[in-house]
Amino acid sequence: DSGVTQTPKHLITATGQRVTLRCSPRSGDLSVYWYQQSLDQGLQFLIQYYNGEERAKGNILERFSAQQFPDLHSELNLSSLELGDSALYFCASSARNTEAFFGQGTRLTVV
Amino acid sequence: GIQVEQSPPDLILQEGANSTLRCNFSDSVNNLQWFHQNPWGQLINLFYIPSGTKQNGRLSATTVATERYSLLYISSSQTTDSGVYFCAVKPGYALNFGKGTSLLVTP
Repeated sequence: DSGVTQTPKHLITATGQRVTLRCSPRSGDLSVYWYQQSLDQGLQFLIQYYNGEERAKGNILERFSAQQFPDLHSELNLSSLELGDSALYFCASSARNTEAFFGQGTRLTVV
Repeated sequence: GIQVEQSPPDLILQEGANSTLRCNFSDSVNNLQWFHQNPWGQLINLFYIPSGTKQNGRLSATTVATERYSLLYISSSQTTDSGVYFCAVKPGYALNFGKGTSLLVTP
């Protein structure tokens, strides 16, 4: 158990819909990262938050957004979903510039 | 951005064999990690190794940061070692992943 908790584990939704993925980082970790893993793109970095502030952006679409709350949990919002958004979404957390630990992922299927 | 290349892309071993997986990266990094993704999709931390050598049971890893490569050694492989092995490097804020080495260990 990495200590990073993601919910839900599985999500099936229709095209055009909006979903929210949730992540609770390890105790004490201030950094939260979101990644997308699809068959054709591999593991892609989406966005990082540090202590509530956005720190870095990767290949995140404009239809996607995230935030980190005062209790340090984070949410990734995916809207206007397309079939190509089907993927495994991971959250990771770390203390400042140290080893990152990943949650079990949310498997999103858009039908 | 930084390029992370892993080799070989695929590997089939018989149980008990040894193997070496390689990760080359194109720029200086301040963090390097190896992960094992099991058949259920979980990403399991193997090593946090920005430089030097570490060992954990049958697995060991070496990173030569000045030459921009890292090696993961698996000895006496077992069927439970099957899965995808990822190298990930951190040049700035976030980990950048290679495409992985897909390992199948047969009985």
